[in-house]
Amino acid sequence: EAAVTQSPRSKVAVTGGKVTLSCHQTNNHDYMYWYRQDTGHGLRLIHYSYVADSTEKGDIPDGYKASRPSQENFSLILELASLSQTAVYFCASMGPEVFFGKGTRLTVV
Amino acid sequence: GDSVTQTEGQVTVSESKSLIINCTYSATSIAYPNLFWYVRYPGEGLQLLLKVITAGQKGSSRGFEATYNKETTSFHLQKASVQESDSAVYYCALSDRTGFASALTFGSGTKVIVLP
Repeated sequence: EAAVTQSPRSKVAVTGGKVTLSCHQTNNHDYMYWYRQDTGHGLRLIHYSYVADSTEKGDIPDGYKASRPSQENFSLILELASLSQTAVYFCASMGPEVFFGKGTRLTVV
Repeated sequence: GDSVTQTEGQVTVSESKSLIINCTYSATSIAYPNLFWYVRYPGEGLQLLLKVITAGQKGSSRGFEATYNKETTSFHLQKASVQESDSAVYYCALSDRTGFASALTFGSGTKVIVLP
């Protein structure tokens, strides 16, 4: 069964700290995406990747880095977390169909 | 850029009543984008509910329907008789046709609460 697994599911981070959100897919998809969702907004694209060891900037990449060490894994990195990065983050893998993870709720305090 | 607008942030409806969720889109990158409805049940990730890639066509799934209207650039989601299990957040989305793996542009979502 196709799956996208995000970890952690919830995290509280301190302002200025480093945060890493992880995503693992078993769908054999080349494309993976990171979105964030804020209340009252749709999901917005942060970074994406279409092949291992390569990442691309999405619509709102500032303050985020991404890493794709393998086809299965795609991480989102906040080097210096800020209050404005409090949001729910979704990872997705795309082939003919799109599969989303359950989301990571990040609270920066 | 492309955009999707959902005007209702939350809709409350009684079980067995009809539901309509409005969605309009603006696609600058392509004339006829692919259109989708996704649903997120509590504690779950987004799931594809239905998609339509041809203007004028209707998609349906789980009792929900949506028609791709290129004249009004709309893709409203409807259900004739909702159930409590339909309580969820619904997202309208579009993608261009540059490839099946092109990124999605989402609306802000509509939370549907179905009262027993």
